[in-house]
Amino acid sequence: EAGVAQSPRYKIIEKRQSVAFWCNPISGHATLYWYQQILGQGPKLLIQFQNNGVVDDSQLPKDRFSAERLKGVDSTLKIQPAKLEDSAVYLCASSDRGSEKLFFGSGTQLSVL
Amino acid sequence: GENVEQHPSTLSVQEGDSAVIKCTYSDSASNYFPWYKQELGKGPQLIIDIRSNVGEKKDQRIAVTLNKTAKHFSLHITETQPEDSAVYFCAAATGTASKLTFGTGTRLQVTL
Repeated sequence: EAGVAQSPRYKIIEKRQSVAFWCNPISGHATLYWYQQILGQGPKLLIQFQNNGVVDDSQLPKDRFSAERLKGVDSTLKIQPAKLEDSAVYLCASSDRGSEKLFFGSGTQLSVL
Repeated sequence: GENVEQHPSTLSVQEGDSAVIKCTYSDSASNYFPWYKQELGKGPQLIIDIRSNVGEKKDQRIAVTLNKTAKHFSLHITETQPEDSAVYFCAAATGTASKLTFGTGTRLQVTL
């Protein structure tokens, strides 16, 4: 079974630039999550989708972050404009409907200079 | 909101010894407690989980214990092996996994 796919693997940008991350969840998983993991910390939930609808985006900085999940499959997370404090690993995870077991991708490591 | 504290931040053990990582949580309504292992350059991987209606759960060399009264839970790894070296995260959730709050992680190093 293929896992959660994310790209790019690494991204380096300057502050005030924009960046986008892509995620393809495990086939058939209805729920998709984006987490932010700052170095030395545990992952923090940014947004959760159920199919293509947003379930929880209470911790998403909506003035600069946006996310969408078209057709209930792939998802894109965007940051515009980026700040230095956005440097982190952005993890995508998915879970089957009704399951609490999350499967994580390898993440995108973002460095904002 | 929920707050999860995790100790120690680093742990070094010799191969074959046991390792114990402890977490405390603040929200008494939390009822789901998973543990994740994160290897370098990879995303976290679920290794074991426990619900609030169970006090202990084992899976081969790993076990988790939960004390609801004290609001703490622990991960126990016996007969540690070099491949156990990784960062381990505890987490707590109320109701659904979407509300997972992670601890700050424990870097476990198993030396030969």
